[in-house]
Amino acid sequence: YVLSQPPSVSVAPGQTARMTCGGNNIGSKSVHWYQQKAGQSPVLVVYDDSDRPSGIPERFSGSNSGNTATLTISRVEVGDEADYYCQVWDISSDQVFGGGTKLTVL
Amino acid sequence: EVQLVQSGPEVKKPGESLRISCKGSGYRFTSYWITWVRQVPGKGLEWMGKINPSDFSTKYSPSFQGHVVMSLDKSLNTAYLQWSSLKSSDSAVYYCTRPGDTDGRGWFDPWGQGSLVNVSP
Repeated sequence: YVLSQPPSVSVAPGQTARMTCGGNNIGSKSVHWYQQKAGQSPVLVVYDDSDRPSGIPERFSGSNSGNTATLTISRVEVGDEADYYCQVWDISSDQVFGGGTKLTVL
Repeated sequence: EVQLVQSGPEVKKPGESLRISCKGSGYRFTSYWITWVRQVPGKGLEWMGKINPSDFSTKYSPSFQGHVVMSLDKSLNTAYLQWSSLKSSDSAVYYCTRPGDTDGRGWFDPWGQGSLVNVSP
């Protein structure tokens, strides 16, 4: 199973960033998202398509339908600049990560 | 607090063997799979495989099958990732992580701090 993410997304502070994760009928799977800042370990920011772990700001939200899942960050801050990865479990491939999207805050 | 603490950075030569570790605390170690993830510098996350601390069963990604071995010591709440003959292409950061559900099919949280492996002649 293959997950496709755009290599980069750029957004100005205060605007909304949307990062996509494409996969065949991904809407039938649970999608999870991780934030990885430079030199740090990944951090879970959204799980099961749209749930947030405790401590993650409400500005982070997710959706999933059809062949595309989306991570949305509202009111983007400079501190949100990071790489973002989507992940699913597939019965054939087991765990799968997307290639990651680098979010640049201009 | 659930924590995974990994062993420190390693510098090795091609052909040498290596074992890195991941110690879990703050939860019942035998209830959750331990997963290993590779990240080559500047690249993305790659799922390597997982080991079940309750019965020692393993599942490897085809990309890593036969090149690494996952093991653990339940008495120490510690999982291991080992190589018998390193290659330069094994240079990467290796993370251990734990799934959120006991069936091992969900999200990963938390993650260890990563173990940097540098293989150079």
